[in-house]
Order: sequence, then structure tokens, then C-alpha cells
Amino acid sequence: DTEVTQTPKHLVMGMTNKKSLKCEQHMGHRAMYWYKQKAKKPPELMFVYSYEKLSINESVPSRFSPECPNSSLLNLHLHALQPEDSALYLCASSRDSIWSPLHFGNGTRLTVT
Amino acid sequence: SQQGEEDPQALSIQEGENATMNCSYKTSINNLQWYRQNSGRGLVHLILIRSNEREKHSGRLRVTLDTSKKSSSLLITASRAADTASYFCASTQGGKLIFGQGTELSVKP
Repeated sequence: DTEVTQTPKHLVMGMTNKKSLKCEQHMGHRAMYWYKQKAKKPPELMFVYSYEKLSINESVPSRFSPECPNSSLLNLHLHALQPEDSALYLCASSRDSIWSPLHFGNGTRLTVT
Repeated sequence: SQQGEEDPQALSIQEGENATMNCSYKTSINNLQWYRQNSGRGLVHLILIRSNEREKHSGRLRVTLDTSKKSSSLLITASRAADTASYFCASTQGGKLIFGQGTELSVKP
């Protein structure tokens, strides 16, 4: 079992819907990440939060909006997605930076119809 | 672009055999990490090797790092069916952890 919890496990949404992905960790980690992974591809970095501040945005389209309400929680708000956004969305955390190992959740499998 | 390139892309072996996966990267690194991903699950950190280390062991895993060649290898000894998974190397580039393309390992009982 992973120490990073992601909900929901699966999500199907239409292109006009608004939904949110949630991620929670209680390891006291101060860096949190969103990655997107397509089938048989490596995870691609989307966002990094460090000490609850957005430190990296990998030129992600504005239809993806991250939020870090506190040091344990990370959300990804979704709006007006495209079918090509269908993927596995992975949340991860690390003690303080990318130099520390990342702990991943099991992801949310997103399907955009 | 991905920092790490791995080979082989896919590897199929029998239980009990050793599996070797290779990773190359382009820029200087602080450390290099290896992760495993079972189908449909999140990634699990396996081992981290620092740039001033040449070899590291963890159970049945052995990782080497050659900074002059900008390459690393992961050796899994005495493989088991449960080792069937995708394996990714990950290295830092511009303050970001970037994953290689991965090796899909299949261990047949």
C-alpha cells in the first residue's frame, strides 16, 4: 500500500465538465508533484509545489489548475478537457526536493469523452 | 525531451535468470534514481545512487553509475515472476526529476 493517497481511482468526464483530483500524504513531505502518464510512456512532469508554493509549471494548459491548500494536500482542478488529456495522473511527494526519492500514489485513471 | 534513454525497451527472461537494464542521460546529475511500476499502479522507488558513487546494492538489486559515460545500469539477480514490471531511471535536469523511457521486464515462471 502507498502512503500517498489519490482519489478518485477512476474518473470519466465530458469535455464540458469540471472535476478535481485529490492527493494526500501524511509523511511530513514538503514537496508535492503532479505527473501525467500515457500508456507505455514514462511519467511527464506537470507541476511541482515546494513548501506549498508552486515552483514549477511545465507549460501545462490552463485547463489544468493545481492547488495546494496545505502541506498534506494537493488538488488538480480540471475544466474543459480534451480527449487527448485521457491518461493516468500521478501524484507524488518527497521530503524536501527532487534530490530525495519520490513517493507516488497509485494514480487516477482519467477518461475524457 | 526525456533526460534518460533506456535499453532494452523490453526484456523477457525466465525465473532465476539475471536482468540488466541500462540508462543513459545527457547532463550532469546530482543523483540517479531507479523506480519500478507494476501495471496500472504508481511508481515505487527502488534505489538512489549519488554522482560520487560508482556502485550500490540493495537486496537483489545492483546499480552502477559511470558519470564519464553518463550511464547507469540496474541488475536484478535471481529474478522472480513478481519482478515483472516496468523499470524507469530518473535523473535531474534543470531542477526537475525527469524519467527515462523505461524497460518493460517480463519474468516467466
